[in-house]
Amino acid sequence: NAGVTQTPKFRVLKTGQSMTLLCAQDMNHEYMYWYRQDPGMGLRLIHYSVGEGTTAKGEVPDGYNVSRLKKQNFLLGLESAAPSQTSVYFCASTQQGATEAFFGQGTRLTVV
Amino acid sequence: AQSVAQPEDQVNVAEGNPLTVKCTYSVSGNPYLFWYVQYPNRGLQFLLKYITGDNLVKGSYGFEAEFNKSQTSFHLKKPSALVSDSALYFCAVRESFQKLVFGTGTRLLVSP
Repeated sequence: NAGVTQTPKFRVLKTGQSMTLLCAQDMNHEYMYWYRQDPGMGLRLIHYSVGEGTTAKGEVPDGYNVSRLKKQNFLLGLESAAPSQTSVYFCASTQQGATEAFFGQGTRLTVV
Repeated sequence: AQSVAQPEDQVNVAEGNPLTVKCTYSVSGNPYLFWYVQYPNRGLQFLLKYITGDNLVKGSYGFEAEFNKSQTSFHLKKPSALVSDSALYFCAVRESFQKLVFGTGTRLLVSP
């Protein structure tokens, strides 16, 4: 049971390049989330999904897009990377109810 | 909007001494509160949660937290700190669709 798996773990992009971060969970969770972690700011929600085919904006959605074509996968896209998107990105999933969220190990992205 | 605050960026404690990591919350209605821990270069791991019931919640690795409604606090505690407890600790409150709103984090350093 792998839990929540993120790929890649590290990436360096040039300003203006695009990329997709993949999150996969094997726990059959309905809800999935993308957060970014920046020093002194904790984790902030970028986008989330409450089920296959649904997505919604979180606190800091600008510059990102997401898709949830399959229940187990949640993709985060950067169409034109900017240095302000340098961060550590975490994916999480959970089930409806009074349960905790499970987090991936993170993707460290640097935009130069 | 729901929010939590962690007033201390860092807490230093000697091994064997009790530790407290502070968290206060601001919510409408009954709060669902969580503590997560992050070890270096790792994702977040669930420690404990308060949903309802007893004000003293016991969690993983010997940690516990005390919910205080009158002081709107949810402080994390451990009777005897270990060097291995050194990590970054996050308090969080749950919103609709089980989204989490995190505090800014408190770094715990336990010295031998």
